Amino acid sequence: AQKITQTQPGMFVQEKEAVTLDCTYDTSDPSYGLFWYKQPSSGEMIFLIYQGSYDQQNATEGRYSLNFQKARKSANLVISASQLGDSAMYFCAMRGVSGGYQKVTFGTGTKLQVIP
Amino acid sequence: EPEVTQTPSHQVTQMGQEVILRCVPISNHLYFYWYRQILGQKVEFLVSFYNNEISEKSEIFDDQFSVERPDGSNFTLKIRSTKLEDSAMYFCASTVLSQGSSSPLHFGNGTRLTVT
Repeated sequence: AQKITQTQPGMFVQEKEAVTLDCTYDTSDPSYGLFWYKQPSSGEMIFLIYQGSYDQQNATEGRYSLNFQKARKSANLVISASQLGDSAMYFCAMRGVSGGYQKVTFGTGTKLQVIP
Repeated sequence: EPEVTQTPSHQVTQMGQEVILRCVPISNHLYFYWYRQILGQKVEFLVSFYNNEISEKSEIFDDQFSVERPDGSNFTLKIRSTKLEDSAMYFCASTVLSQGSSSPLHFGNGTRLTVT
């Protein structure tokens, strides 16, 4: 079974500052992938970044980076230089080798609010 | 950029009625999913579909739910007799999965189902 935990229901960050959104996971799968999605108030789910369990380097995608600590089973999302448009819900998710990599399990989300 | 499209964007129905939610996945994707989200809460897995059959389903996906790929493009979710607790945002998603766990789910914009 896979489990994703996001312990921060809400976060505030000043515009132009960096913010870290926490995500820990639990799985017995030897191979898995971790994802972050953004959900603005309009409701759509937007894929942000991916980290594979065997990737040697932390993933980066523009202002998004993933602080992957495999031994601690954490995959925190770092947003640099926050913008007002970053205000949204952020979901951490994972997919594992069990079940043929098909099912993606989501955490409960963190609501980020960027303050001008 | 190709996208997953869902119709309708909003559906209101009376308790006990049947509803069909429609999705057109991205054309070269092989795996299709339905997720639901109640009032901005956790994104819950309902079902995955591959090669014209269900590959995995959750406890939520009981006998009241069914999925179908009636032709080469559409993917539908049917709820036979809606209950008040079925009110939620329903997301369709698709993925290539050819790269193992690294393929992200691409989500549609969702159908907001309101059962009265």
